[in-house]
Parts: sequence; structure tokens; C-alpha cells
Amino acid sequence: AQSVTQLGSHVSVSEGALVLLRCNYSSSVPPYLFWYVQYPNQGLQLLLKYTTGATLVKGINGFEAEFKKSETSFHLTKPSAHMSDAAEYFCAVSAHAGGTSYGKLTFGQGTILTVHP
Amino acid sequence: ETGVTQSPTHLIKTRGQQVTLRCSSQSGHNTVSWYQQALGQGPQFIFQYYREEENGRGNFPPRFSGLQFPNYSSELNVNALELDDSALYLCASSIDRGPAYEQYFGPGTRLTVT
Repeated sequence: AQSVTQLGSHVSVSEGALVLLRCNYSSSVPPYLFWYVQYPNQGLQLLLKYTTGATLVKGINGFEAEFKKSETSFHLTKPSAHMSDAAEYFCAVSAHAGGTSYGKLTFGQGTILTVHP
Repeated sequence: ETGVTQSPTHLIKTRGQQVTLRCSSQSGHNTVSWYQQALGQGPQFIFQYYREEENGRGNFPPRFSGLQFPNYSSELNVNALELDDSALYLCASSIDRGPAYEQYFGPGTRLTVT
């Protein structure tokens, strides 16, 4: 079984400030981890993903995330927020072993990021 | 390259009716997944189709059914609509099944059940 918990349903930062969106996961098998962004009235766009290998993953738009197995975390960061980063962000986990969870994305509840000028 | 498209964009139905939502996968993609996103929630996995066969199902009742066609387009059918079925329905296609392959999402169909 898999689950994702995103800490904080709303995060507000000033333009130019650090963005930190928190994600903790639970998985009975080694996970694949993802961050998606959703702009209003649009579908989801992949920001970055962790499969295997390097635990620090760089994505689009200056975002990165670090997989920490000991903490079961995959927090998303960006050094300097931009107004265009305002959106809803979803962390997701998928199993890469076989079984009914294979290829299925389990999402967190989402975090709405607001960027103030 | 055309992305994932969904139709219709919006739909209003009455409780007890049936609805069909459509998804056109990205070219070359043989796998499609459907998700339900209720207001203020993360998407929830409904089911996945791989080469026209169901390849995994989430915790949704049998009145949620699907089809994938030889051209890899897909339909989601919901019978006996309930008020709680009101949500954004997202489809996502990938070049193959398995989590290593990126799922490309369409813009969604917003279903309102009254």
C-alpha cells in the first residue's frame, strides 16, 4: 500500500524567497516519487521525478527535490520564488514492483502556493 | 506533436443518468490512466488500460467502466450518477505501462451532477 502526506495545504511566500513544499510518503516497496504542478483549469504537469540513483533531482522551472529514505520524505524546493510559480503542487508515489499498484500514481492532497510581490 | 485531449470540457448531468467522457492519447502512447479529482483533493486513480485491456483498478465501484480503442483513445463511462461523482476527471497517457514512463495529463473534464 502507498500513501502520500503533504504538510500544509497552503504555503505563502514573497517573491524571491525560498519555496519549500513538504511531502512524506509511505510505501511497502521502493518508491518512485513525483512532483506535479497544476495551474487553474489545467491538467497536471510533471515537475520532476525520482526513480533510482541520485537522490537530489532537478526539474523544470528551477525546482528540485531530495529523496531521503530514512525520513521517507521528498520535499520540493526552489531557491527564489517567482510570481509565475503560484499554482497547486501535488506529490505522488508509484510502485515499481509488480502487483495492482504497478504504474498507479497515488497523490497527496496538494499544496497551494501563493507568491506575494 | 499533439498532447492529450479530453472532451467535453464541462458537463452537467442529473443524478441517475449515465455519462461518457473521452480521451485522445498522445501519439505513440499505448497506456492510458483515468483519475478523479474532487474539489480541493488530489487526483485518485480509477483505472489504467494497456493495449486495450484493463491493467489495474483503484477503489471505485463497477459503475465506473472504461474502454481503450485500437488507436489508443479511451472512454470513461459512469452509470447511475451520484452527487459525489461531481469532480474533474483527468486522463493521462504514457508511452508504456510502468511508473518509469511519464504520464502526460489532459486538461480534464469537469462533471457536475445535480
